[in-house]
Amino acid sequence: KAGVTQTPRYLIKTRGQQVTLSCSPISGHRSVSWYQQTPGQGLQFLFEYFSETQRNKGNFPGRFSGRQFSNSRSEMNVSTLELGDSALYLCASRTSVHFGGNTGELFFGEGSRLTVL
Amino acid sequence: AQTVTQSQPEMSVQEAETVTLSCTYDTSENNYYLFWYKQPPSRQMILVIRQEAYKQQNATENRFSVNFQKAAKSFSLKISDSQLGDTAMYFCAFMKHVGDDKIIFGKGTRLHILP
Repeated sequence: KAGVTQTPRYLIKTRGQQVTLSCSPISGHRSVSWYQQTPGQGLQFLFEYFSETQRNKGNFPGRFSGRQFSNSRSEMNVSTLELGDSALYLCASRTSVHFGGNTGELFFGEGSRLTVL
Repeated sequence: AQTVTQSQPEMSVQEAETVTLSCTYDTSENNYYLFWYKQPPSRQMILVIRQEAYKQQNATENRFSVNFQKAAKSFSLKISDSQLGDTAMYFCAFMKHVGDDKIIFGKGTRLHILP
């Protein structure tokens, strides 16, 4: 079974631009979560999507948005990029509570490393 | 709101030694789940061990075990007979309800296993 796939792996943008990151979850996983990882703040929760609906949201400004498609693939978008948005963006998928054997375990992708200049 | 605190930003131990990583959390919930995740250098984050709060017995996975102190809201990870491959960032994480709730992570502990 293929793991969580994130694209692109690396990207460089300049301030004021926008960026879209993509995540394909493990087949059968309907929940996709996004995290921002920085050296000073660790992993900060951005949002979680389940069945195309945002189920949970972290404390990030409105410049950070996301969506999920009917095939469970998810995208996140950051508009008007700032230097402080430079980070590793991690996507993780997990099974639904409605599936037997759900342990709450997150399965992570390798991340998309964004550098804002 | 739930918070997770890892008080050790970085640690180093010699290979084959035992090391304990600390984690405390704050919650008013009675039932919840705690996790330790491992992020090796330039590699994907993976689950190391999981503990359900209603279980009094500490979870164990081979060389990895936890010391779960519910009243103290403490959840430490012990790595026995440490190996070079244990070098990684370790994140403690908390979740209220399986499947529906977001998972909150601490800031991590960078662990170096020295040869």
